Amino acid sequence: EDQVTQSPEALRLQEGESSSLNCSYTVSGLRGLFWYRQDPGKGPEFLFTLYSAGEEKEKERLKATLTKKESFLHITAPKPEDSATYLCAVRGVRSYNTDKLIFGTGTRLQVFP
Amino acid sequence: EAGVTQFPSHSVIEKGQTVTLRCDPISGHDNLYWYRRVMGKEIKFLLHFVKESKQDESGMPNNRFLAERTGGTYSTLKVQPAELEDSGVYFCASSQLAKTREGELFFGEGSRLTVL
Repeated sequence: EDQVTQSPEALRLQEGESSSLNCSYTVSGLRGLFWYRQDPGKGPEFLFTLYSAGEEKEKERLKATLTKKESFLHITAPKPEDSATYLCAVRGVRSYNTDKLIFGTGTRLQVFP
Repeated sequence: EAGVTQFPSHSVIEKGQTVTLRCDPISGHDNLYWYRRVMGKEIKFLLHFVKESKQDESGMPNNRFLAERTGGTYSTLKVQPAELEDSGVYFCASSQLAKTREGELFFGEGSRLTVL
C-alpha cells in the first residue's frame, strides 16, 4: 500500500535558522511527489512536483529534493511568513487510472522573529 | 480569477441528518476532486470527476456518500444519514486536464463538518 510519512510533526525555528523537513514514501512506481503548503483555515497550496531521484526544485527560500525513498524540503533563512503546515503527497502506479494523491500528515512549521 | 469556492464553510448537524456540501471549481477546470481530513489524520482522497463523469470513486467511505457534478460545472457531496465519524474537513480541488501530470491542484478552503 502506498504510504507517506513526514517528520518531524512540528518544528520551531528562529528567523534565519535554516532546516529541513523530511518526507519518506513507499509507493509502487512513483509518478510524482508533490509538496504543498497549508495555512490555518485554508486549503493546501501547490509548491513543487518532483518526478525522479536527483531532481531538485527551488522557490524563494524553499528547495525540494528527491531520492528513491524520500524527499526533503530545505528552508533557508526562514521568515515568520514561512510559518505553515507543509504537506507531502505522492502519486503511484496503482492510481494510474486516476490522479489520486496520497498525503502525509504534514509538518507544522513555526518561525519566530 | 476566482479560486475554488466551497459552501458552507462550517456545518453542524445531528447524527442521522443530511448535509450537502457544494464546490465551485475554477472555470475551465475539467478535473474536480473531493478529499477529506479527519481530525489528526492525513488528507484522504474521496473521488475524482473528469467533467461530469466519475473517474475514480474508490475513496468514498460507503453508500451514505453521494457525489454529483452537474453538467461538468459545480459539484455536490451529500452525506445521508450522517454519522459521528463523518466529522472532518472536506476539501474540493480542481485542475486543468493539461496539468494533470504536474499535480498542481487548486484547493478550496474546505467545508468543516461537525456531526453531534
